[in-house]
Amino acid sequence: KNQVEQSPQSLIILEGKNCTLQCNYTVSPFSNLRWYKQDTGRGPVSLTIMTFSENTKSNGRYTATLDADTKQSSLHITASQLSDSASYICVVTRPGGGGADGLTFGKGTHLIIQP
Amino acid sequence: NAGVTQTPKFQVLKTGQSMTLQCAQDMNHNSMYWYRQDPGMGLRLIYYSASEGTTDKGEVPNGYNVSRLNKREFSLRLESAAPSQTSVYFCASSSKTSPYEQYFGPGTRLTVT
Repeated sequence: KNQVEQSPQSLIILEGKNCTLQCNYTVSPFSNLRWYKQDTGRGPVSLTIMTFSENTKSNGRYTATLDADTKQSSLHITASQLSDSASYICVVTRPGGGGADGLTFGKGTHLIIQP
Repeated sequence: NAGVTQTPKFQVLKTGQSMTLQCAQDMNHNSMYWYRQDPGMGLRLIYYSASEGTTDKGEVPNGYNVSRLNKREFSLRLESAAPSQTSVYFCASSSKTSPYEQYFGPGTRLTVT
């Protein structure tokens, strides 16, 4: 069964600290993996997308890594800011099948940055 | 360029009442989706429309109907609301060239009492 597991479920860190969120998946075959940020009361917004051949990709203070062999991805946030408080959702896609059939969503990690 | 818009933002219904959630996108996307998001459950696909004139069931379609009115608009209807349909509903859209890059609306928070 295609699954995406995220850990931890929730995380509280102090402003300025770094943190790493994990995403493990069993989806096969694999096309790409995307991290979304969802602010409270808002819809998810794409942060980054990783394809099979990419190991690391950065978007400002966000760095995503992908190990397609072990089927693991991480999202590292550097020098956290209060505005980073949000839920972070990992989504893994299969090739073909259209935009709906190919998507498997994780349940998200709820991150709280404390001043 | 508003992206994906949804109305209403909040709604309270009594059990058995009906309502329609509206969604529109101005990005000329072919595909549109309806999701529900519940605590601890993540996003679950209710229905989607790969193109104008077509709709298909997702993971949790029971109790819902959809209409792809035109390329821009995709509505979700609850014919007889139940407390189990209390949730936050998100509409999303994607293009033919990047079908897995979905753009989400701001959501509708629905409470059924």
